[in-house]
Amino acid sequence: EDQVTQSPEALRLQEGESSSLNCSYTVSGLRGLFWYRQDPGKGPEFLFTLYSAGEEKEKERLKATLTKKESFLHITAPKPEDSATYLCAVSRGSQGNLIFGKGTKLSVKP
Amino acid sequence: DAGITQSPRYKITETGRQVTLMCHQTWSHSYMFWYRQDLGHGLRLIYYSAAADITDKGEVPDGYVVSRSKTENFPLTLESATRSQTSVYFCASKKLAGEDNEQFFGPGTRLTVL
Repeated sequence: EDQVTQSPEALRLQEGESSSLNCSYTVSGLRGLFWYRQDPGKGPEFLFTLYSAGEEKEKERLKATLTKKESFLHITAPKPEDSATYLCAVSRGSQGNLIFGKGTKLSVKP
Repeated sequence: DAGITQSPRYKITETGRQVTLMCHQTWSHSYMFWYRQDLGHGLRLIYYSAAADITDKGEVPDGYVVSRSKTENFPLTLESATRSQTSVYFCASKKLAGEDNEQFFGPGTRLTVL
């Protein structure tokens, strides 16, 4: 069964304290792995797409990496405005439909 | 403004009533999706549409009906609402199938069924 698991469920950091979020997946016919950010009361906001093992993408303090079985979202020197829930999803099949993990809720304290 | 909008943003209804959630996108994207988001489950796909007049079931379609007569609109109807359908509903769209397929999400509709 296709599955996406994110860990930890929640992460509390001090401002400036770097860390990583994990997304492990089992899916047949992976087309891509996606990271989204979701703020309370809003829809998910697209961050990155990764297509092949070894690929990396960066945006400000965020860097996403991909292996054959998992992806990491590294957060370097986070700020309070990085507080949000980060969602991981994988696409599969000819239509590229997404399967989402349950998310990691990140809190960054000043 | 261009983008994807949902209406209403909040809705309270009673068990057994019919409810329609609206979704409108201005990008002329081919694909549109409906998800529900519940604590402990994450986002789950209800229905999707590859183009006007083409729809297909997702992971949790029971109790829902969709239609897509125009490319830009994708309404979701709960024919007889149940308490288990209390959730936050998100509409999304993407341009094409294939690798270039990030989805863009609307702001959501919070539905409460009493």
